[in-house]
Amino acid sequence: NAGVTQTPKFRVLKTGQSMTLLCAQDMNHEYMYWYRQDPGMGLRLIHYSVGEGTTAKGEVPDGYNVSRLKKQNFLLGLESAAPSQTSVYFCASRDWGSSSPLHFGNGTRLTVT
Amino acid sequence: AQSVTQLGSHVSVSEGALVLLRCNYSSSVPPYLFWYVQYPNQGLQLLLKYTSAATLVKGINGFEAEFKKSETSFHLTKPSAHMSDAAEYFCAVSDQGGSYIPTFGRGTSLIVHP
Repeated sequence: NAGVTQTPKFRVLKTGQSMTLLCAQDMNHEYMYWYRQDPGMGLRLIHYSVGEGTTAKGEVPDGYNVSRLKKQNFLLGLESAAPSQTSVYFCASRDWGSSSPLHFGNGTRLTVT
Repeated sequence: AQSVTQLGSHVSVSEGALVLLRCNYSSSVPPYLFWYVQYPNQGLQLLLKYTSAATLVKGINGFEAEFKKSETSFHLTKPSAHMSDAAEYFCAVSDQGGSYIPTFGRGTSLIVHP
């Protein structure tokens, strides 16, 4: 049982380049989330999805786009990377219901130079 | 809007000493409450959760937390710290009304000295 898998684990981009981060979960969870984690800032929600084909903005959505074409996958895209997007990105999923905990992937460490 | 306060961005203890990490929430209606742990270079994993079944909740690795409605608190404790407990700890809440978005505290880094 793999849980939540994020690819890639590390990436270095030049300013202006684009990339897509992939999140895959095998638990049949309805809800999926993308967070970024920066020192002293805790976790900040970028975008989330409450089901296949749906997405919504979180706290810090600017500069990012997402898609959820299949229930098990949630993609995070950076169209034109900026140094301010240097961060560790975490994907999470959870089952239906507020008492269900989040299951996290191991993160993608992105550096934009 | 719901808020979560974790008092102390860093807590330092000696090995074998009591661990106490504080978490307070703002909701007037008791929410669901969670503690997560993040080891270096890993994602967060669930330590324990409160869902109104019992006020004292036991989790993995000897941790437990007590829900106190009158104090709107859900502090995390462990009687005796181990070096392997050194990690970042996050408190989170979800409203019972069915909100899609959990609210996280800023996290507390636990440092364990030999």
